Amino acid sequence: DIQMTQSPSTLSASVGDRVTITCRASQSISSWLAWYQQKPGKAPKLLIHKASSLESGVPSRFSGSGSGTEFTLTISSLRPDDFATYYCQQYNSYWTFGQGTKVEIK
Amino acid sequence: EVQLVESGGGLVQPGRSLRLSCAASGFTFDDYAMHWVRQAPGKGLEWVSSISWGSGDIGYADSVKGRFTISRDNAKNSLYLQMNSLRDEDTALYYCAKGKRSSIVVPAAVDYWGQGTLVTISS
Repeated sequence: DIQMTQSPSTLSASVGDRVTITCRASQSISSWLAWYQQKPGKAPKLLIHKASSLESGVPSRFSGSGSGTEFTLTISSLRPDDFATYYCQQYNSYWTFGQGTKVEIK
Repeated sequence: EVQLVESGGGLVQPGRSLRLSCAASGFTFDDYAMHWVRQAPGKGLEWVSSISWGSGDIGYADSVKGRFTISRDNAKNSLYLQMNSLRDEDTALYYCAKGKRSSIVVPAAVDYWGQGTLVTISS
């Protein structure tokens, strides 16, 4: 089974900060990686798929990069609406999610 | 507008069964693979099962294999999850999710999620 490791688990940041979240796969998943945002009591929302493709309607301050085993999600300038938990997901071989990164207000 | 509405959750005793349903609207249901994902209280996301557009390909997480059965009725725009031999660790919010492709063999992410139905296993 492919394991996904996200870091950090929690990130404290301020509005306007540049934020980077990392996701590592236990084996190569090519570019079959997605990033989701989840707010409390809500369903996850797709932000990025195929490692770097921005989902329609998602603000351009979100970007993804990487391939193989190392991936990053970057928020270029944090907005109040971005405080949430972020999950990476590999879908190269069935699915595995990372453990999540909570972005909280500093 | 894509809508996915789950139902069928509730409180059941260990060892019993439950059937979840997901009613889909706002898209051509039989053009897309569908999935179940669960989230235990305060925990992360866990993939449960996937089914291709025509039910020809199906996959299960090891944690539910042999106990859960995914199915779909394209005529009714509905997805189902039959859950047998339920365990305490199956307690979670179960989400229905729409794939971006028709197949589960070709890699694809999920672009829409329902709001979930809560399953609680307790004696």
